Amino acid sequence: DAGVTQSPTHLIKTRGQQVTLRCSPKSGHDTVSWYQQALGQGPQFIFQYYEEEERQRGNFPDRFSGHQFPNYSSELNVNALLLGDSALYLCASSRLRDRAYGYTFGSGTRLTVV
Amino acid sequence: AQSVTQLDSQVPVFEEAPVELRCNYSSSVSVYLFWYVQYPNQGLQLLLKYLSGSTLVKGINGFEAEFNKSQTSFHLRKPSVHISDTAEYFCAVSENAGGTSYGKLTFGQGTILTVHP
Repeated sequence: DAGVTQSPTHLIKTRGQQVTLRCSPKSGHDTVSWYQQALGQGPQFIFQYYEEEERQRGNFPDRFSGHQFPNYSSELNVNALLLGDSALYLCASSRLRDRAYGYTFGSGTRLTVV
Repeated sequence: AQSVTQLDSQVPVFEEAPVELRCNYSSSVSVYLFWYVQYPNQGLQLLLKYLSGSTLVKGINGFEAEFNKSQTSFHLRKPSVHISDTAEYFCAVSENAGGTSYGKLTFGQGTILTVHP
């Protein structure tokens, strides 16, 4: 059983560009969350999707947007990239009714903005 | 709002020595508590969790943690570490608010555990 799958694994973009990161949740999971982990920091919550709607959002600007598809997979979009957006982006999935039991994380997408 | 403080950014220990990684949290509501481990260039792996009940919880790889409500702490311990335990460890909390909560995680800054031979 595959866990959480993220693509691509690495990405280099130029300031001002737009990027889309993708996540396939673990089989049976219906909730997807995205986290940003800057170098040397703990992960920071970006937002969470359930039933194709954004349910919670962290303290991130509107340049960060997302989507969840009917098959529960998700995308994270970042517009007008800044150097400070360079980070490891982690996707985590769970079943909403089991959210207390913790999330399964993917290996992340390493985004470098130059 | 919740917050998590990991009191040590780096903890060096020798192989087979005991270790404790400290975590304090702050929240206005009841919380669930977690410890995750991150190996280089990898995602996060759940070590253990406290949901309710016994304050001493056991996890994978011989780790355990104790929930102390009065001190709002959730320290992680292992009686004898191995070289392979070298990694970064994150303490995290989520609100225990039932149906109104979607359970976002708030993480600490991480503790790098380095096990020396």
